[in-house]
Amino acid sequence: EVQLVESGGGLVQPGRSLRLSCAASGFTFDDYAMHWVRQAPGKGLEWVSGISWNSGTIGYADSVKGRFTISRDNAKNSLYLQMNSLRAEDTALYYCAKAYYDFWSGSDYWGQGTLVTVSS
Amino acid sequence: QSVLTQPPSVSAAPGQKVTISCSGSSSNIGNNYVSWYQQLPGTAPKLLIYDNDKRPSGIPDRFSGSKSGTSATLGITGLQTGDEADYYCGTWDSSLSAVVFGGGTKLTVL
Repeated sequence: EVQLVESGGGLVQPGRSLRLSCAASGFTFDDYAMHWVRQAPGKGLEWVSGISWNSGTIGYADSVKGRFTISRDNAKNSLYLQMNSLRAEDTALYYCAKAYYDFWSGSDYWGQGTLVTVSS
Repeated sequence: QSVLTQPPSVSAAPGQKVTISCSGSSSNIGNNYVSWYQQLPGTAPKLLIYDNDKRPSGIPDRFSGSKSGTSATLGITGLQTGDEADYYCGTWDSSLSAVVFGGGTKLTVL
């Protein structure tokens, strides 16, 4: 059974940093691209970042470029999102999602999300 | 303001059919595959359609997808109360080099 379990969310002050993790199991992690997608309270889905199976291709939404860094450790079946210079508008539920195939063809598995709240 | 445009809401009676549109441009829908997601209240999104019109295993054939030019459509037949959810379209945008989603459509089964 495929499982994606996010962790690392919490309450953080504006300008501070946070590192999210996603532990994957139930599939061959290093065969697939992975993504972070967020959802602000009561709002729609927003893609944050994606990384190919070998970290050779990485992409970011303009809203987080230069502040967030995605990475993965295939030996640990884990995906990460380092979030720096956090802003109030980064407040959201952050989902880890597995690409169905290629870098993006849709995501067939999603975690339950980890909540990030940026507030003083 | 989302790159992809969806109607905010649609509604239909149980047993009926509904369609949800997703409009984009040549840099996204026009030249890339579209996927569709169902998000039930309080849960993570679920993939319904990928590559414009393909269903992952386990998704009933009541759900269908199509694409024409720079627009895509999700169809749901035999509506059930359990289909009440938010539905999102998504695709790659070649100009932005980013994944883009529609703003979401809330389906109400009256």
